Amino acid sequence: DVKVTQSSRYLVKRTGEKVFLECVQDMDHENMFWYRQDPGLGLRLIYFSYDVKMKEKGDIPEGYSVSREKKERFSLILESASTNQTSMYLCASSSRTAQGNTIYFGEGSWLTVV
Amino acid sequence: AQKITQTQPGMFVQEKEAVTLDCTYDTSDQSYGLFWYKQPSSGEMIFLIYQGSYDEQNATEGRYSLNFQKARKSANLVISASQLGDSAMYFCAIRRDKIIFGKGTRLHILP
Repeated sequence: DVKVTQSSRYLVKRTGEKVFLECVQDMDHENMFWYRQDPGLGLRLIYFSYDVKMKEKGDIPEGYSVSREKKERFSLILESASTNQTSMYLCASSSRTAQGNTIYFGEGSWLTVV
Repeated sequence: AQKITQTQPGMFVQEKEAVTLDCTYDTSDQSYGLFWYKQPSSGEMIFLIYQGSYDEQNATEGRYSLNFQKARKSANLVISASQLGDSAMYFCAIRRDKIIFGKGTRLHILP
């Protein structure tokens, strides 16, 4: 069974802390994505990656960075967490080989910054 | 740049009725894919249906069909014979290189 796993389901962090959100997929997918989801705003793309060590900015990259040292793992980093980064974060992956391939999502990470 | 617009923030529909959820998109690309996802209150994203820009037939998956009108840049989701379990958020998305989602429509099915 294909799977995208996000390491933490619920996190509470303090303002200014460095936060790591980890995502691992077991489908050998080239593409991986990080989104944040907020009420009324839908899913907004933060960063995506087409390959190992490769990253591209999405629509809202400010305040975030990413790391992809291995094909199966894509990490989202909040260098100095702020309260406006309280949100639900979704990781996703897909194959590059066909446009129609399904995008697989993790279960989401609920982050609260206090 | 790609853009997805879902104009219905929320909808209320009687059980067993058909539902149409609107989605329009904007892209300058000729080759792209359109997706619909369902997100129940549990938060998981469930893939419903896919339409390729070169597909001539409208996609169908069980009770779901995608009404694809390329000239209008429209990709509406039609749910036939709605059920209580269809109550959820529904997201339309477009894929070229990156995948962009709309803001979603909250669908409520009334018994």
